[in-house]
This record gives sequence, C-alpha cells and structure tokens, in this order.
Amino acid sequence: DVVMTQSPLSLTVTLGQPASISCRSSQSLVSSDGNTYFNWFHQRPGQSPRRLIYKVSTRASGVPDRFIGSGSGTDFTLKISRVEAEDVGVYYCMQGTHGYSFGQGTKLEIK
Amino acid sequence: VQLVESGGGLVKPGGCLRISCAASGFTFSNAWMSWVRQTPGKGLEWVGRIQSKVAGGTVDYPAPVKGRFTISRDDSENTLYLQMDRLETEDTAVYYCTKDWEGGMDVWGKGTTVTVSS
Repeated sequence: DVVMTQSPLSLTVTLGQPASISCRSSQSLVSSDGNTYFNWFHQRPGQSPRRLIYKVSTRASGVPDRFIGSGSGTDFTLKISRVEAEDVGVYYCMQGTHGYSFGQGTKLEIK
Repeated sequence: VQLVESGGGLVKPGGCLRISCAASGFTFSNAWMSWVRQTPGKGLEWVGRIQSKVAGGTVDYPAPVKGRFTISRDDSENTLYLQMDRLETEDTAVYYCTKDWEGGMDVWGKGTTVTVSS
C-alpha cells in the first residue's frame, strides 16, 4: 500500500501571506502510462472535499490561480500564494496511481 | 452534476447495510465511481472503486474492506451501491460517493452517515 505523509499537520497563516504544504509518498507515483496521478483536495468545515489540483499541477475548474501544485516522483507541494479567508479548512493530498490513498490532512487556520 | 447518497443509519456490529448514490447531470455509464469514507480519527479513506462497463467493470477494494464490502452499479438507474457486510465499529463514518476522473475524485456527494454500535 502507498502511504502518503503530509507536513505540517497544522498551519496558521496571516491573511495575504503565502502558505505551503508538503506531501511525500512511500513509492513513486509515476504511472505506467507516464502520468503522475497526484491530487490536492480542500475541505471546508461541514462540507464535502473539493478537488483543487490533479496530475500534480493542473488546477480543477474554478480553482483560483493562487493555488499552485508542483513536484514529481515521491515529493509534492501545494503553495497558496496569498491566503484568503475562504482558504481555511483541511487540505489533503491523494495519490491515484496505485489504487487510491490519502494523506492525513493539514489544517489551515488564519491568524 | 450531482451525487446524492442515501441509506445510512444505525446498525449493530456484525450486521449489514446497503447505501446508494443517485447520479445526475453526466453520463453515469461512462464514469468510474468510488466510495470514500471519513472518520474523525482516520481522515479520508478510500473504500473501493468500480470501473465503467466499457472499461471492463473491474471493482477494486483496499485491504480493510476487501471481502466485506461490495460495490455495484445499475447504469439503467444511474445508481451506485455499496453493500457492507460483517460491519465493525471501525466502519462508523460518513460515506461519500464520488465520480472519478484523471486519477482522482472530481465530484463528491454530501455523504451519508453510517453508525455501527450495539
């Protein structure tokens, strides 16, 4: 099974400042078809998760360009260039190359 | 595009339950679909996926539920099912139905709560 490890597990950021979350997988996420099926999700309190990023760096429809995904192989990063109030909640990484598995989640709060 | 889960409830350990997901707004028969559950202690956990029939219809499960959970679909009714047998207290969770695309979940339902308790 592929284990996804996120850091940090908690993050407090001032409005307008950047934020960064890391995710590491226990094995390479490069698929046999050459794609890397790695996603980021955001879950606001009381809501279902919503996909932000797929295939490492492609933003889902309607996702603001302040969300930037990067990485390769086993190491991935989500950066928020300027945090806004609506960005609070929990962020999850997820791999879709070897079945599916999620990270533990990173809770983002505003200072 | 909408997914609406139903059928959650309270069930005793060792019991069984079937939950459903009604899909609308997209061509259900072409979609790969998954169930994902969420517990306060364990975050998000994938519990299985069914391919579209045209892709082969294969169903995959992770180890914690393999042999106890069964995913099926009725393309004529645009409905996804999750049959859960030999339920354990650790199966208590909110169960989400999801539509899968490009190696992840691009649409989520609001979830249905399953509580396993005596």
